[in-house]
Amino acid sequence: DQQVKQNSPSLSVQEGRISILNCDYTNSMFDYFLWYKKYPAEGPTFLISISSIKDKNEDGRFTVFLNKSAKHLSLHIVPSQPGDSAVYFCAASAMRGANSKLTFGKGITLSVRP
Amino acid sequence: EAGVAQSPRYKIIEKRQSVAFWCNPISGHATLYWYQQILGQGPKLLIQFQNNGVVDDSQLPKDRFSAERLKGVDSTLKIQPAKLEDSAVYLCASSPPGTANLGQYFGPGTRLTVT
Repeated sequence: DQQVKQNSPSLSVQEGRISILNCDYTNSMFDYFLWYKKYPAEGPTFLISISSIKDKNEDGRFTVFLNKSAKHLSLHIVPSQPGDSAVYFCAASAMRGANSKLTFGKGITLSVRP
Repeated sequence: EAGVAQSPRYKIIEKRQSVAFWCNPISGHATLYWYQQILGQGPKLLIQFQNNGVVDDSQLPKDRFSAERLKGVDSTLKIQPAKLEDSAVYLCASSPPGTANLGQYFGPGTRLTVT
């Protein structure tokens, strides 16, 4: 039972264009969402997060949008750069309580073409 | 600031053998996590420690997996005996004290191949 779903396994975009990575969740208890980026042979690194009290969070070229009614979030990267080529994981947590357990999606492989 | 350290980076064993992984978290990070990442999947939490106490081990196959965190710092994860389906990358992560910060810091992982 996948509670965090990244249905598109891969995405290819041209350098300078926008990359949009999508994520859906099913657990209504989730109220904190994160995106991690992973290069080969390295561990995931935290990219950006959003709390359920917001619908948008921006950090430089990265913006995450949250649509709670649709249980959907997306990561926008603009402009995309070749160095952004990596696997991107969406993760979610229910912050109510002491356990900050993260549930991850399967990941999306982003390729940015020069 | 040094990151999360893990060793070994790669390990190949035969099924039914045992194996152990080591993790040294970032200094001062009270919470430590072990994840299993099977190829094509996202990381799955196996066990979470707060200092040297277990917070969540609901997804740890306790008949063959064990983990400990002595003195609330380093941690070891052991598999005994290993099965073919244990082939995966085992990731260790740590996070600072407090539940508000969910920015977990991951180590490079140990890639385990069971033949």
